[in-house]
Amino acid sequence: DAGVIQSPRHEVTEMGQEVTLRCKPISGHDYLFWYRQTMMRGLELLIYFNNNVPIDDSGMPEDRFSAKMPNASFSTLKIQPSEPRDSAVYFCASSLDRASSYEQYFGPGTRLTVT
Amino acid sequence: TQLLEQSPQFLSIQEGENLTVYCNSSSVFSSLQWYRQEPGEGPVLLVTVVTGGEVKKLKRLTFQFGDARKDSSLHITAAQTGDTGLYLCAGPRSNDYKLSFGAGTTVTVRA
Repeated sequence: DAGVIQSPRHEVTEMGQEVTLRCKPISGHDYLFWYRQTMMRGLELLIYFNNNVPIDDSGMPEDRFSAKMPNASFSTLKIQPSEPRDSAVYFCASSLDRASSYEQYFGPGTRLTVT
Repeated sequence: TQLLEQSPQFLSIQEGENLTVYCNSSSVFSSLQWYRQEPGEGPVLLVTVVTGGEVKKLKRLTFQFGDARKDSSLHITAAQTGDTGLYLCAGPRSNDYKLSFGAGTTVTVRA
């Protein structure tokens, strides 16, 4: 089975531009998570979905960030406008809804550089 | 302040040596997970420990969950260069599906 797929793997953009990151979760997984990882702050949860519905977006840093999940096999994280401090690695992860199991499966990440 | 504190932050050892990484909290967790992340990749789940006092082995890796379910350790025997990576512990917060992650321990195994 294919794991979590993310695209692009690398993105370099100029400040003020719109950036869209994409994720395809593992088929059959009910939960999808977006994380941001930096050296300073480690791995931070931005938002997560259950059955395509956003459950908790308290980790989204600002209104410049938005996420959607139009169907069970696709999600996007959009930053508009982007700023240099948004430079980080963004991970998507998915999880199966199983009692007492919180195991998450991560994609390879998108390394975003905003100049 | 991290809910899960990992120590040490960095560890560099020679191939063949043993190492232990710790994950501690003042909170009780229903379970704890360990992930390994290699450069340029996402974290990969290694193990989940659920019962207080539980010990799980994965080849040369031994994972232990504290009796009070507030701490966990990862011990690697006879480390190999392939064990190099960032080791993260994580646990669920309350009853939702969000995970709290520790800051991680960067392990470097030198040939």
